Amino acid sequence: DAKTTQPPSMDCAEGRAANLPCNHSTISGNEYVYWYRQIHSQGPQYIIHGLKNNETNEMASLIITEDRKSSTLILPHATLRDTAVYYCIVRVVGYNQGGKLIFGQGTELSVKP
Amino acid sequence: SQTIHQWPATLVQPVGSPLSLECTVEGTSNPNLYWYRQAAGRGLQLLFYSVGIGQISSEVPQNLSASRPQDRQFILSSKKLLLSDSGFYLCAWSAEVNRNPQETQYFGPGTRLLVL
Repeated sequence: DAKTTQPPSMDCAEGRAANLPCNHSTISGNEYVYWYRQIHSQGPQYIIHGLKNNETNEMASLIITEDRKSSTLILPHATLRDTAVYYCIVRVVGYNQGGKLIFGQGTELSVKP
Repeated sequence: SQTIHQWPATLVQPVGSPLSLECTVEGTSNPNLYWYRQAAGRGLQLLFYSVGIGQISSEVPQNLSASRPQDRQFILSSKKLLLSDSGFYLCAWSAEVNRNPQETQYFGPGTRLLVL
């Protein structure tokens, strides 16, 4: 699975959009981009994933560049409860790939009032 | 809807004592099940995964073992705990691959283990 690079920390004002970048320059054609977050002392929470098209759900939007070498997770209106460590993960998916998720160090997002 | 349970939530055990952590999933059948450990810092390490009853794959050699006695039950065990076994243990599930080819995993609340 390709490696990802994320900034170690970011701040965001409450009510503003939080844009979390991720570089995955060695991504291959059959690898998806996944985002999870982990609020302190809790299990990781799935947010969103995509292959090459932009994706949106009730939690966030995922923007993937055309060359797929980077992506941005957007929380449109950050709240204090969005303070967490956000992980960008790239992995091959498909039938019985073994399911391993490789978590890096992630980005610690602090949403401030 | 599906839910995943882990217990206990926290555990303090002496070195050399046995360990049994339990994970159960509700609302789905034949899930894939996973055990991860998160030591100091942020990275999660996959320990075991299972695609069915009695089928366990180990990712890293260690002092731990896993068993799946029932379809929606996954147990992590040790005969003798080491100090290095301290950490945050997370169970995860994903729908069987025919219903979820992208194998999205969903995590439980975790068990925090401190070995003294």
